[in-house]
Amino acid sequence: ETGVTQTPRHLVMGMTNKKSLKCEQHLGHNAMYWYKQSAKKPLELMFVYSLEERVENNSVPSRFSPECPNSSHLFLHLHTLQPEDSALYLCASSQGRMAQTRTGELFFGEGSRLTVL
Amino acid sequence: LAKTTQPISMDSYEGQEVNITCSHNNIATNDYITWYQQFPSQGPRFIIQGYKTKVTNEVASLFIPADRKSSTLSLPRVSLSDTAVYYCLVGDLSGGYNKLIFGAGTRLAVHP
Repeated sequence: ETGVTQTPRHLVMGMTNKKSLKCEQHLGHNAMYWYKQSAKKPLELMFVYSLEERVENNSVPSRFSPECPNSSHLFLHLHTLQPEDSALYLCASSQGRMAQTRTGELFFGEGSRLTVL
Repeated sequence: LAKTTQPISMDSYEGQEVNITCSHNNIATNDYITWYQQFPSQGPRFIIQGYKTKVTNEVASLFIPADRKSSTLSLPRVSLSDTAVYYCLVGDLSGGYNKLIFGAGTRLAVHP
């Protein structure tokens, strides 16, 4: 248990569907992240929110739309996805400024496995 | 962000010590070195972090030479459950959030 919870754990959707992934952290962190991990590829950083403001958007297609309503919750809204978007989507959180130890440690959820048909 | 290079894969046997070396020749003064572990279908998990010399915790040791251009993660007496991908990340974490990039990592396979 990392303190970061993702739902759903598994999602199958058609290319015309609209769905959302949800992430919740119970750690009091003020930065939250979405990563994508495709088969046999490194983790790709998609979006970063710091203090509820989006601070990183790494050339992610507009069919992925993040939302961070507060520092504990992060959503990834999905619409008109492609089969190549099938992947494990990981949410993470971190403490903003340095703590005394473990600078910037990322706490990951268990991921949402997305399959686009 | 400093680029890191680590072996793609390694094999070991139960009970052995495993050392995974990461090269980061352009590491900057403010950069820390952090290692994560990832099991299949799970998110990465923090293992250890250091700036210089040696750091040890309950699961691993991290050796960093004086020039800081490389680092070695040492896993003592590995077991089958240590089979995972290990990532070396280098960067300045003093900002408001973590901008570190995960590379391909080292896939460690521990055999009986």
